[in-house]
Amino acid sequence: AQKITQTQPGMFVQEKEAVTLDCTYDTSDPSYGLFWYKQPSSGEMIFLIYQGSYDQQNATEGRYSLNFQKARKSANLVISASQLGDSAMYFCAMSLPGSARQLTFGSGTQLTVLP
Amino acid sequence: NAGVMQNPRHLVRRRGQEARLRCSPMKGHSHVYWYRQLPEEGLKFMVYLQKENIIDESGMPKERFSAEFPKEGPSILRIQQVVRGDSAAYFCASSLTARQGTDTQYFGPGTRLTVL
Repeated sequence: AQKITQTQPGMFVQEKEAVTLDCTYDTSDPSYGLFWYKQPSSGEMIFLIYQGSYDQQNATEGRYSLNFQKARKSANLVISASQLGDSAMYFCAMSLPGSARQLTFGSGTQLTVLP
Repeated sequence: NAGVMQNPRHLVRRRGQEARLRCSPMKGHSHVYWYRQLPEEGLKFMVYLQKENIIDESGMPKERFSAEFPKEGPSILRIQQVVRGDSAAYFCASSLTARQGTDTQYFGPGTRLTVL
């Protein structure tokens, strides 16, 4: 069974600095997708970035980049130039092929950006 | 271009009542997923549906919970005889296609269910 582990319950970063949120995953399937979602205090789930297991390059979306290290089974999210609005819970998730395409989520990391 | 719509946003029920949660996927999306988030936890998969079909309900409790996605209209998650442990945020997500491991699921704002 697949598993996502986020070992940082909470993180603090100074405004305008970069921060890395850790995510490791476990699956025996060679084909999978990795996702990061942001959940602000208002509660909605916002898609941030996607990385496919066969993608050769690390995904980037604006200030978000995914540091994908396949051999280490890690998919860390890097947020550059942090802003106060980045304060939120961040979830790493994985999906597998097949009839069961559900996302498996980690427990999340609460990021607080300090002014 | 409207995103995933869920209603109601907040729902209060007394123990033993029924709760009906509605989800309209993004335009053009035919795959719908329901997830539950208990307080202080991550999201847990419940059920995956396509139009008129339940594809995977492995995460759904066997009793009291049911889901449908009719040919016309929104997807419905129905919880009968609610108990306090059903209090949670219920999220619906939709995706455009269901290719292997590559489809991004976009989430609605969630329905916060409180059982008194």
